[in-house]
Amino acid sequence: NAGVTQTPKFQVLKTGQSMTLQCAQDMNHEYMSWYRQDPGMGLRLIHYSVGAGITDQGEVPNGYNVSRSTTEDFPLRLLSAAPSQTSVYFCASSRGRVHEQFFGPGTRLTVL
Amino acid sequence: AQTVTQSQPEMSVQEAETVTLSCTYDTSESDYYLFWYKQPPSRQMILVIRQEAYKQQNATENRFSVNFQKAAKSFSLKISDSQLGDAAMYFCAYRGPGDGGSQGNLIFGKGTKLSVKP
Repeated sequence: NAGVTQTPKFQVLKTGQSMTLQCAQDMNHEYMSWYRQDPGMGLRLIHYSVGAGITDQGEVPNGYNVSRSTTEDFPLRLLSAAPSQTSVYFCASSRGRVHEQFFGPGTRLTVL
Repeated sequence: AQTVTQSQPEMSVQEAETVTLSCTYDTSESDYYLFWYKQPPSRQMILVIRQEAYKQQNATENRFSVNFQKAAKSFSLKISDSQLGDAAMYFCAYRGPGDGGSQGNLIFGKGTKLSVKP
């Protein structure tokens, strides 16, 4: 099993550009989520999904879109990147909400 | 809303010594889950230990143990016989009960950076 994979590992964008951060898991987990990590802030939840076709907002959803068309994939879209979105992004998955969350290796995003 | 507080931004320990990282949380729930995650320089988030609130016995994983004080809403992590590889950011996290709404999502503290001196 590859676990949770994220691509790319690093990305530099210009303000106003759009992009999609990819996340995939091969553990047949129902629950997936996206976090951002900023210095001194810990990890904060952006969006989450409890299954294919079901998504909901977390603590800091503004500027991000998600969709969940399959159990395996949960992409995060930045529609118009802003410098405030410079951060490290983590995707995670778990069999259910009360089970251990497995994290991907993260994507470091810089918006100039 | 639930909150998680880690009051020590940085800690330092001598190799082979013991160190305790503090975590407090606020919740009105009686059943919930608590976690400690380790984040080494590689950036990977690694689960160190978990505690179910309904269990009175403190969780232990090899050199890692917790002191769970439910009434005080305290969940500290003790690392015994510290090793150089223990140097990392440590995050305390809370998850509420059940599957309803956002209760199942993890809420993280801001982290404690642990240095291990040889």
